[in-house]
Amino acid sequence: DVKVTQSSRYLVKRTGEKVFLECVQDMDHENMFWYRQDPGLGLRLIYFSYDVKMKEKGDIPEGYSVSREKKERFSLILESASTNQTSMYLCASSLGPFTGEAFFGQGTRLTVV
Amino acid sequence: GNSVTQMEGPVTLSEEAFLTINCTYTATGYPSLFWYVQYPGEGLQLLLKATKADDKGSNKGFEATYRKETTSFHLEKGSVQVSDSAVYFCALGRTGGGADGLTFGKGTHLIIQP
Repeated sequence: DVKVTQSSRYLVKRTGEKVFLECVQDMDHENMFWYRQDPGLGLRLIYFSYDVKMKEKGDIPEGYSVSREKKERFSLILESASTNQTSMYLCASSLGPFTGEAFFGQGTRLTVV
Repeated sequence: GNSVTQMEGPVTLSEEAFLTINCTYTATGYPSLFWYVQYPGEGLQLLLKATKADDKGSNKGFEATYRKETTSFHLEKGSVQVSDSAVYFCALGRTGGGADGLTFGKGTHLIIQP
């Protein structure tokens, strides 16, 4: 089975901190994604990557950056965390070209205080 | 741009009841359509999909038919179980090709009571 692993289930960070959320997949997938999930808003795409060192902005990239130095790892970076970034963050991967079948990690619940 | 509208929850049903969760979409072109499910404490899993008009996706007793004329992809199940309690997301694949992700609805929280 495809496994997408996010490094933390729960994180608490202070306003202004630089935060790294890590995601690793074990099935050699080309495509990786970061979403945030908020009540009443569903899932919104932050960034995605279709190859090593490639990245594309999603719908809500402001305040975030990403890094993909190796095919299996896709990191989401909050340059200076703010309280409005408190959310559930979901990583996903898929085999390219994209067919819509994405495999999700369990999520990281980030609280910024 | 692309968008997905699904019925707001929570939806509460008794075990063995018939389920319908409505989903309509707005998109350019002919996107693929999906239902994802999120069980408590877990990530999302693909439940079913349909890639062209009139296709029917099915899995675990759930079904949905891609209706181009009504731009809809309603999820149905004839007899729900307590274990179906979860959040259900309707989604459409972006039509630009490549790896540009999915557009999700806001999710419908389904609660099945014994």
